[in-house]
Amino acid sequence: QKEVEQDPGPLSVPEGAIVSLNCTYSNSAFQYFMWYRQYSRKGPELLMYTYSSGNKEDGRFTAQVDKSSKYISLFIRDSQPSDSATYLCAMSLAYGQNFVFGPGTRLSVLP
Amino acid sequence: DAMVIQNPRYQVTQFGKPVTLSCSQTLNHNVMYWYQQKSSQAPKLLFHYYDKDFNNEADTPDNFQSRRPNTSFCFLDIRSPGLGDAAMYLCATSNGDSNQPQHFGDGTRLSIL
Repeated sequence: QKEVEQDPGPLSVPEGAIVSLNCTYSNSAFQYFMWYRQYSRKGPELLMYTYSSGNKEDGRFTAQVDKSSKYISLFIRDSQPSDSATYLCAMSLAYGQNFVFGPGTRLSVLP
Repeated sequence: DAMVIQNPRYQVTQFGKPVTLSCSQTLNHNVMYWYQQKSSQAPKLLFHYYDKDFNNEADTPDNFQSRRPNTSFCFLDIRSPGLGDAAMYLCATSNGDSNQPQHFGDGTRLSIL
């Protein structure tokens, strides 16, 4: 079993839809959780960063962490064509530890 | 804007010909990372520097080496590139003293002829 799993997609949705992106992980010791957006031929760009369980909202983006289920989600409301990208989840154990990435989900938002 | 800059954005080299990729940062972060990312795959950590301390991942081939002459710069040297080394190489930085997330450059796409 891989340490972090993510449905690779591609996921296609119409403009304005609510998008749900998810990751599962196997190591219950992970405490820090991140979502990155990566456009084609660009580096990953940090979207959301959360510690432990709970929700965090930033504009159209909401990150959820359920440590009991070892499951994290990123919701995108009112999705736009400019949201079309690959979304990578990442997580780390603790202070100063390296991050483990999921393989990414490719999202296409159709106008 | 503070950022992570990678040069060149695209690099073509010949099979077996050494190549160096460079990364610079204006964030004054003490940790710098090199990742290899192949198409539709997660970034794979090759190694990182925590200040001047070099940390190599166990499965990073000996063909890959790195140098960090100062806080701002880090280099990735591939001594004898093979066809399987064609990939995007990403540099990232972080403030290792506070477990902040990593900030990435836009990568160098390496092609091997």
